[in-house]
Amino acid sequence: DAKTTQPNSMESNEEEPVHLPCNHSTISGTDYIHWYRQLPSQGPEYVIHGLTSNVNNRMASLAIAEDRKSSTLILHRATLRDAAVYYCILRDVRGSNYKLTFGKGTLLTVNP
Amino acid sequence: DTGVSQNPRHKITKRGQNVTFRCDPISEHNRLYWYRQTLGQGPEFLTYFQNEAQLEKSRLLSDRFSAERPKGSFSTLEIQRTEQGDSAMYLCASSLRGENTGELFFGEGSRLTVL
Repeated sequence: DAKTTQPNSMESNEEEPVHLPCNHSTISGTDYIHWYRQLPSQGPEYVIHGLTSNVNNRMASLAIAEDRKSSTLILHRATLRDAAVYYCILRDVRGSNYKLTFGKGTLLTVNP
Repeated sequence: DTGVSQNPRHKITKRGQNVTFRCDPISEHNRLYWYRQTLGQGPEFLTYFQNEAQLEKSRLLSDRFSAERPKGSFSTLEIQRTEQGDSAMYLCASSLRGENTGELFFGEGSRLTVL
């Protein structure tokens, strides 16, 4: 699986936007960009995914660079419940089992 | 609750004992995954089932580990002769083949402590 690079940690203030970066310079044309997050003492949960175009859902937005070598997960108004580890994962659409390969992710701290 | 269910949530055992974890996936999901997570690390893939067939095993899955999904529904992960290095959170996930996002739904995990 192609590798992603994320900052180890980030900090934000409640009700402010958060931009979580991810670099994936070796991404291939068939790799989807997935984001999951893991709240304390819970299993990971799906946040959003995309291929080339920017994506929005009720949880977040995903901005994908034109060359696809980087992406940014955007939380529009951080809440205390958004404090979690955020994982940026590439998954090849050609893969037959949809296995996810996690890195260490970014630990997001939200200050009240 | 119709999510992925894992039992027990916590298990403390002595080195050398056997332990078994159970995972009940979301009912219509035909894909099931086991992961292991140690402190400060992301989850690591252990094995994958499609229905009752075990299609992929990580080299992390030593011969002391065995996983089954006998009827394509629930799954068990057994660790024989536990070692202190087996202490970790064991996560189960399920997904639906053919579903567009391929989203994996994770359980809350089973935390193993080997003394």
